[in-house]
Parts: sequence; C-alpha cells; structure tokens
Amino acid sequence: AQSVAQPEDQVNVAEGNPLTVKCTYSVSGNPYLFWYVQYPNRGLQFLLKYITGDNLVKGSYGFEAEFNKSQTSFHLKKPSALVSDSALYFCAVRPPGGFKTIFGAGTRLFVKA
Amino acid sequence: EAGVAQSPRYKIIEKRQSVAFWCNPISGHATLYWYQQILGQGPKLLIQFQNNGVVDDSQLPKDRFSAERLKGVDSTLKIQPAKLEDSAVYLCASSPTTDGLNSPLHFGNGTRLTVT
Repeated sequence: AQSVAQPEDQVNVAEGNPLTVKCTYSVSGNPYLFWYVQYPNRGLQFLLKYITGDNLVKGSYGFEAEFNKSQTSFHLKKPSALVSDSALYFCAVRPPGGFKTIFGAGTRLFVKA
Repeated sequence: EAGVAQSPRYKIIEKRQSVAFWCNPISGHATLYWYQQILGQGPKLLIQFQNNGVVDDSQLPKDRFSAERLKGVDSTLKIQPAKLEDSAVYLCASSPTTDGLNSPLHFGNGTRLTVT
C-alpha cells in the first residue's frame, strides 16, 4: 500500500539552531514529493517540492529538503530556526501517473525562543 | 490571484442531521479535491474531481457522503446523516493541470465540523 510516514509527532528546537523534520515514503516508481505547512485555523500551505534532479531542493521561508532515493526519505531542513516557524508540517507524495496526493500524519514543530 | 474559498468556516450540528459545505477553487484550476482532516491526523482524500468528472472517490463513505461539481467550477460536499465520527475539518484544494503532475495543491482554510 502507498503510504507516507512522519515518525515524530513533535520536534522541539531552540531558535537559531538547525531543524530537521523527517519523512519516509512507500510508493512504487518515482513519485513527486511535497512539504506543506499548516498554521492554526488555516489550510495547508505549499513549501517546496521534489520532481527530479538535484537531491537538495529549496523552498519558501528558508526551508529546504533532502531527497534520498535509496532510503525513500525526504527530510525537511532549515539551517536556523525561527519562533515563527512553529507550526504543523506535512509531508506528501504523489504517485506516478495521477494527481492523487497522499499525506503523512504531520509533525508539530515547536521553536523555543 | 484569489485563493480557494470555503464556507462556512464553522458548523455545529447534531448527529443524524445533514450538512453541506461549499468550495470555490482558484479560477482555471481543473482539479478539485475534498480532504477530511481529523484532529491529530493528516488530510485524507475523500474525492477528487477533474473538471466535473470524478477521478477518485474510493475513500468517500458513499452511504452518507456525496459531492458534486456540476459546472466544473465550484463544488459542494454533503453529509447525510452525520455521525459523531464525522467531526473534522473539511479541506478543499485545487490544482492547475496545465502545470503538469508536479503542481502543488492550493488549499482553502477549511470548514470545521462538530457533530454533537
């Protein structure tokens, strides 16, 4: 079955420190990979995507993500966290051949000042 | 560009009542999705439209849920009768197929449904 796993319910980091939010997926073929962020009482907002090419992709608000095909992972990273980065982050995959998008359960990021 | 519009923002109903949600996608977006997001979980796809045709409704509880997109633009999702476990946020999203399969989803702010 196609699935996305975000192994951490919550990630806590201090402001100014680097952050990583983990994501692994189980999809056959070469899927498209996405990260979204959700602030309270809002819909999901697109951060970045991996299609092909360079394994490190850059997105909005200084976020980047590293694709690792052998480990089927797509971890979200930021070199220096801000308190305003505190939110709920979702990893998503789109299997080849269609527009269906499967979401992980989400990881809550808490950045402490 | 204007974003995805959803209404109402909040709805409280009693079990066995009916409810309807409305979504207007971004202009020109051919693909429209309805997702259910239960507290503490990721969004789960209920139904996907391509223009006014259904592409995927495999996870839609068809005995109580229905959705339509008659003119290929706005869409309504209905629940009848509602159950306690339907309490969730219902998210509408759209994407432009002209940008290809790598186009991200654009989400509305959702409708929070509470069934008592």
